[in-house]
Amino acid sequence: GESVGLHLPTLSVQEGDNSIINCAYSNSASDYFIWYKQESGKGPQFIIDIRSNMDKRQGQRVTVLLNKTVKHLSLQIAATQPGDSAVYFCAENLIGYALNFGKGTSLLVTP
Amino acid sequence: GAGVSQSPSNKVTEKGKDVELRCDPISGHTALYWYRQSLGQGLEFLIYFQGNSAPDKSGLPSDRFSAERTGGSVSTLTIQRTQQEDSAVYLCASSLAGGRVQPQHFGDGTRLSIL
Repeated sequence: GESVGLHLPTLSVQEGDNSIINCAYSNSASDYFIWYKQESGKGPQFIIDIRSNMDKRQGQRVTVLLNKTVKHLSLQIAATQPGDSAVYFCAENLIGYALNFGKGTSLLVTP
Repeated sequence: GAGVSQSPSNKVTEKGKDVELRCDPISGHTALYWYRQSLGQGLEFLIYFQGNSAPDKSGLPSDRFSAERTGGSVSTLTIQRTQQEDSAVYLCASSLAGGRVQPQHFGDGTRLSIL
């Protein structure tokens, strides 16, 4: 079946460096993608979303890139801070309005 | 403003008991979703409500699971005759509308443990 997957289960970066979290999707019909941050014991927190008619979207310190040719999505976090340590999920709108989530990437920011 | 509120935050019950989980969506959000997250996993869709339309129940794993939404606001997810595999965090989300462009905003979930 169709699925959303993540290239790396864990990512360790130094404080101040830029982080890149990658995500692959396999359904070319997906037209909406969203990134969430989840801290321990909390629900997923919306970070940024992007529609398939866009290649790039920027927020505060975050940028999402969408490459429809290779069905790849990435989240870039600039000047990573200790507070960015969390699990990051990408999700796609696949069936109706339900989001299909990947398993997540754990980001660890070291001082 | 207030976000999505879920209660209880934790629930421990014995196998075979029924449980009810509650979700208060963000005021004004017409769409409401339930997901389940097992330890170290991504989120699994359960059910979706949009306004007065019939809910999308395609993600419910068995007929022991049901949900209702009263008055287009508060929702209750009920699990009957709980099994140990039902242990998970149950997350509720709401959005402004059911359209694809609207991000879903999540509560902090109910952590359900079946003994």
